[in-house]
Amino acid sequence: SAVISQKPSRDICQRGTSLTIQCQVDSQVTMMFWYRQQPGQSLTLIATANQGSEATYESGFVIDKFPISRPNLTFSTLTVSNMSPEDSSIYLCSVEEMGYEQYFGPGTRLTVT
Amino acid sequence: QKEVEQNSGPLSVPEGAIASLNCTYSDRVSQSFFWYRQYSGKSPELIMSIYSNGDKEDGRFTAQLNKASQYVSLLIRDSQPSDSATYLCAVNSEGSQGNLIFGKGTKLSVKP
Repeated sequence: SAVISQKPSRDICQRGTSLTIQCQVDSQVTMMFWYRQQPGQSLTLIATANQGSEATYESGFVIDKFPISRPNLTFSTLTVSNMSPEDSSIYLCSVEEMGYEQYFGPGTRLTVT
Repeated sequence: QKEVEQNSGPLSVPEGAIASLNCTYSDRVSQSFFWYRQYSGKSPELIMSIYSNGDKEDGRFTAQLNKASQYVSLLIRDSQPSDSATYLCAVNSEGSQGNLIFGKGTKLSVKP
């Protein structure tokens, strides 16, 4: 499976600021995804990021709050904008391979104070 | 609303026993089914995928799928303390890319 890295691995941010999370894959992939995992909860899909097109957002997530870029087939960024303590969470990127299998990056642990 | 249900646990088994984890899903047209293992503080790791009715074995892990009952399970034989983790069931509906729905996970504890 693809090797996925994320930066930063963790961060503590102040309310009202923005953070951009990077996801790098060691091979070209068509489908990349961004998830959120709030403390003690399961994974919630934020959006699907396809190269060359606008990201597709799930219900409850909007582009103004979570802008996504996908400039090429190995890289994507997710920005968490105008952060509040409710945005404290783990943010995960994933890639899809054969048979709809998804593989996850190590995650970014975000704390908003 | 498409749902994936799991018993949250914790499920506690002694070392060497068989751990049985269960998952039900609501969408009858679901086609692909996955089990992820997540250690505390780590990201989910794919351990099994299953697409057709029946059993699929990989080492100490066996996934079982029954589409008629909308039920998928994971058996872990000869459980080890290192198997202690949260196990997430995920279902892909309609064969569409990216449309994975996750259950809330079952926490497994294997006691030495």
